[in-house]
Amino acid sequence: EIVMTQSPATLSVSPGERATLSCRASQSVSSNLAWYQQKPGQAPRLLIYGASTRATGIPARFSGSGFGTEFTLTISSLQSEDFAVYYCQQYNNWPPWTFGQGTKVEIK
Amino acid sequence: QVQLVESGGGVVLPGRSLRLSCAASGFTFSTYGMHWVRQAPGKGLEWVAVIWYDGSLKYHADSVQDRFTVSRDTSKNTLYLQLNSLRAEDTAVYYCAMGPYYDSSGYLTRWGQGTLVTVSS
Repeated sequence: EIVMTQSPATLSVSPGERATLSCRASQSVSSNLAWYQQKPGQAPRLLIYGASTRATGIPARFSGSGFGTEFTLTISSLQSEDFAVYYCQQYNNWPPWTFGQGTKVEIK
Repeated sequence: QVQLVESGGGVVLPGRSLRLSCAASGFTFSTYGMHWVRQAPGKGLEWVAVIWYDGSLKYHADSVQDRFTVSRDTSKNTLYLQLNSLRAEDTAVYYCAMGPYYDSSGYLTRWGQGTLVTVSS
């Protein structure tokens, strides 16, 4: 099973600032990596797939990068609606499909 | 538009059974792989099960193997998860989610709102 590790657990950022979230895989997942956003009381929403492709309707301030075992989600200028928990997920080696433990982005 | 609506959750005694449903609409159900993902209170996401778009393959997480079974009824556009021998650690919100078109093994494009299962005596 591939273990996904996200860091940091919590990221405190001021509105308008850049946020950088990391996700590491225990072995290579190629570019088969997705990012999801989850707000309190809501279902997760797909942000990025293929490590760097934005899903339909996702603003350009969200970008993904990386390959193999190291990945990054960057939010270029945080808006109020971006404060949420973010999860990475690998879909290269399955089953199982595995998620990271999440990074909470909170208001500084 | 695409809609996934889960139902069937509730409070259940340990060792009992429950069947969750996910009603799909707004897309051609038979061309999408479908997953179940759960989230224990205050915790992260855990993949539970997948069924291929044509029902030909099914996989379950080790934690639910031999207790949970995923199935689908294309005539009803509905995904199911049969939960047997429930344990306290199965307490979670259960989400259904769809994969990309004809790609049952990929990322999860759309999610339902979830249904809460509470296993407690």
